[in-house]
Amino acid sequence: GAVVSQHPSRVICKSGTSVKIECRSLDFQATTMFWYRQFPKQSLMLMATSNEGSKATYEQGVEKDKFLINHASLTLSTLTVTSAHPEDSSFYICSAKGVRREQFFGPGTRLTVL
Amino acid sequence: RKEVEQDPGPFNVPEGATVAFNCTYSNSASQSFFWYRQDCRKEPKLLMSVYSSGNEDGRFTAQLNRASQYISLLIRDSKLSDSATYLCAINNAGNMLTFGGGTRLMVKP
Repeated sequence: GAVVSQHPSRVICKSGTSVKIECRSLDFQATTMFWYRQFPKQSLMLMATSNEGSKATYEQGVEKDKFLINHASLTLSTLTVTSAHPEDSSFYICSAKGVRREQFFGPGTRLTVL
Repeated sequence: RKEVEQDPGPFNVPEGATVAFNCTYSNSASQSFFWYRQDCRKEPKLLMSVYSSGNEDGRFTAQLNRASQYISLLIRDSKLSDSATYLCAINNAGNMLTFGGGTRLMVKP
């Protein structure tokens, strides 16, 4: 149990385009989903926390208008990187938490902006 | 001082060795504690939760020391496949986890 999927696994796009990443909890209801970013050889950095049906809470320094988060249902959250630039290239990982105290991670999305 | 700190390593150990990592945390009100394993270019995977009384899962033992505010992970009889980065994660309140920077383990033949 506790499987989280993420799609797409890899994206290469041109600068200025928007990229949408989906995160799904497949076998449990995720009341809370988290979005992280990880640059090479660095630790996970929490970007935002989203609860189903409410606005996401963004960490300091993360632009909410650039990283749009929607948590429309108990099994789906999306992150849209708007007007992506090369510095947005990173490994984006979601995690989901249901009634259990543990969080489970999706397989991540590797974004490369040219 | 960082909220959650780990020695980045790398810890280079031979196969069969026993190795231990610590993770210190600054918030004495921290409630839940976890160890995750992350392989290169992959997502973190939950290795084990850490309970107050300590817990063991096969070759892995996790312990919590609230007085000194650290958790530990002990790996016995190291395998080559144990090579990875080990992340501790602390839950203070609500649902948010704070991760340490990770400790890199390399098990050599």
